[in-house]
Amino acid sequence: DVKVTQSSRYLVKRTGEKVFLECVQDMDHENMFWYRQDPGLGLRLIYFSYDVKMKEKGDIPEGYSVSREKKERFSLILESASTNQTSMYLCASSLGTGDYNEQFFGPGTRLTVL
Amino acid sequence: GENVEQHPSTLSVQEGDSAVIKCTYSDSASNYFPWYKQELGKRPQLIIDIRSNVGEKKDQRIAVTLNKTAKHFSLHITETQPEDSAVYFCAAIPSNTGFQKLVFGTGTRLLVSP
Repeated sequence: DVKVTQSSRYLVKRTGEKVFLECVQDMDHENMFWYRQDPGLGLRLIYFSYDVKMKEKGDIPEGYSVSREKKERFSLILESASTNQTSMYLCASSLGTGDYNEQFFGPGTRLTVL
Repeated sequence: GENVEQHPSTLSVQEGDSAVIKCTYSDSASNYFPWYKQELGKRPQLIIDIRSNVGEKKDQRIAVTLNKTAKHFSLHITETQPEDSAVYFCAAIPSNTGFQKLVFGTGTRLLVSP
């Protein structure tokens, strides 16, 4: 059974703080993704990674960066948090080889920036 | 890039009725279309998917149809039950990515009343 875990369910930060969101998967998946979920906007891709130290920008990368130093861990970094980054953040992972593969999601981190 | 539109944004049905959610996509070369279900407070989970070489796929009470000419695909739920209440997301994989990057629709909140 695939497990994708995220470091926090709820997080409250102040404007200008540096924020780290951590995601860990235990199924040796090559692909990992960070999304933000906002009402009426669905799931929007921030960044994804298809291998250790590899990253690609998604649809809304501005204000974010990522780090993937180990295969199982993918971190999302908000360099200087702003109120418009208040959102639900979801991490996902999938196999990188073969045909189209299901994405398995973590439980989400609800981030509030004050 | 790929754009996925989803309608309706909310759908209320009586238990036992059928529900239909429709999505359109812009990239005519897209060839994989999954549907994810997100129950309240939980993570999205894949419920069914369809590939472009198939026109319809069924799994018990849920089915997905694909019309490549019109570039739209639909989720059909028959004999709805209260546990079908959730937000449903359609998605597509753009043809120009080899990394299984998904573009999601904005979601449909389905409410099934007893």
